[in-house]
Amino acid sequence: QSVLTQPPSASGTPGQRVTISCSGSSSNIGSNTVNWYQQLPGTAPKLLIYATDQRPSGVPDRFSGSKSGPSASLAISGLQSEDEADYYCAAWDDSLNGYVFGTGTKVTVL
Amino acid sequence: EVQLVESGGGLVQPGGSLRLSCAGSGFTFGSYEMNWVRQAPGKGLEWVSYISSSGSVMYYADSVKGRFAISRDNAKNSLYLQMSSLRAEDTAVYYCSRDFFTRFDYWGRGTLVTVSS
Repeated sequence: QSVLTQPPSASGTPGQRVTISCSGSSSNIGSNTVNWYQQLPGTAPKLLIYATDQRPSGVPDRFSGSKSGPSASLAISGLQSEDEADYYCAAWDDSLNGYVFGTGTKVTVL
Repeated sequence: EVQLVESGGGLVQPGGSLRLSCAGSGFTFGSYEMNWVRQAPGKGLEWVSYISSSGSVMYYADSVKGRFAISRDNAKNSLYLQMSSLRAEDTAVYYCSRDFFTRFDYWGRGTLVTVSS
């Protein structure tokens, strides 16, 4: 059972901006940093954003993260066909003493 | 190059046991916390278990608490997940991942566990 809620799908045309929300609570996003993972079809997840708004080396600056209270967001600007993937948010939960993942969002490039 | 390679998956009957392994290379294995994450067919990611770098602290998801046990052997650069009392709902691809300041920065390719009679 996922503790973090994401919309099941999002879509846009090439070049558009897409935003994915991640809704949590005071025990997870509200008090800890958020990470985002990208999972291309048939592959293992890959770290996309860490510490809420930091990009690992090699991740294009089209991807950005933010947080406000118990919610976080991932934005993809200048959408490209290779961005078609599933995206997951994640954070440590102080009440559960464990990590929690979001429900996942499938991004489609129209 | 950091590499994580899982093994040990397969078909097991309900109520059975299985031990997964994850071999790490390309980094100082004993300096990093590690996790197991699973993904049921067509479903999302679910965190399963965490272990500290020394192996002294472990955490589990409620769904596996009391049935799964995480461990590591830093001398062998290996992470393990002992799974018992397996249920159909444990069917998933199991990934091991390196934990660097709460971010899972490297993942293995996963190993499939199928629980079925």
